[in-house]
Amino acid sequence: KAGVTQTPRYLIKTRGQQVTLSCSPISGHRSVSWYQQTPGQGLQFLFEYFSETQRNKGNFPGRFSGRQFSNSRSEMNVSTLELGDSALYLCASRVTGGETEAFFGQGTRLTVV
Amino acid sequence: AQSVTQLDSQVPVFEEAPVELRCNYSSSVSVYLFWYVQYPNQGLQLLLKYLSGSTLVKGINGFEAEFNKSQTSFHLRKPSVHISDTAEYFCAVIRTSGGYQKVTFGIGTKLQVIP
Repeated sequence: KAGVTQTPRYLIKTRGQQVTLSCSPISGHRSVSWYQQTPGQGLQFLFEYFSETQRNKGNFPGRFSGRQFSNSRSEMNVSTLELGDSALYLCASRVTGGETEAFFGQGTRLTVV
Repeated sequence: AQSVTQLDSQVPVFEEAPVELRCNYSSSVSVYLFWYVQYPNQGLQLLLKYLSGSTLVKGINGFEAEFNKSQTSFHLRKPSVHISDTAEYFCAVIRTSGGYQKVTFGIGTKLQVIP
């Protein structure tokens, strides 16, 4: 069974640009969550999608958005990039809600210059 | 509100020595507790989890953790570490509400195993 796949693995963007990251969950998993990981802040929850609906959102500005498609694949978009957006962005998928385990992808390393 | 405190940002330990990584949490409701490990340039992998029942939880790679409700702690232990255990370890508190999870991670503890 394939794991969670995130593309691309590495990305370099310029300030002011926008970026779209992709996450393909494990087959059968309907919940996808996104996290931002930085050395200073650790893992910060961005949002969770389930059945194409955003069910939970962290404390990030509106420049961070996401969506989920009918096949459960998810995309995350960051507009008007800032230097502080440089981070490892992790996607995690779960079968459904409750206490089920989240399986993480390898992440997308975004560098904003 | 819930929070997680990992008291040590870095823990150096010699190979084959025991190790304990500390995690304390705060929550006004019942929560589930997880430990994840992250190897360099990788995502997070679940080590173990406490949902209910026995307070001593055994996980992969010889790790175990004990849930202590009175001390609101969930410390991770291994009796003898190996070089391959060098990684960053994250404690996480999970609360469920309306079918979705609210997950809070600790800041992480970097375990450095010294040969």
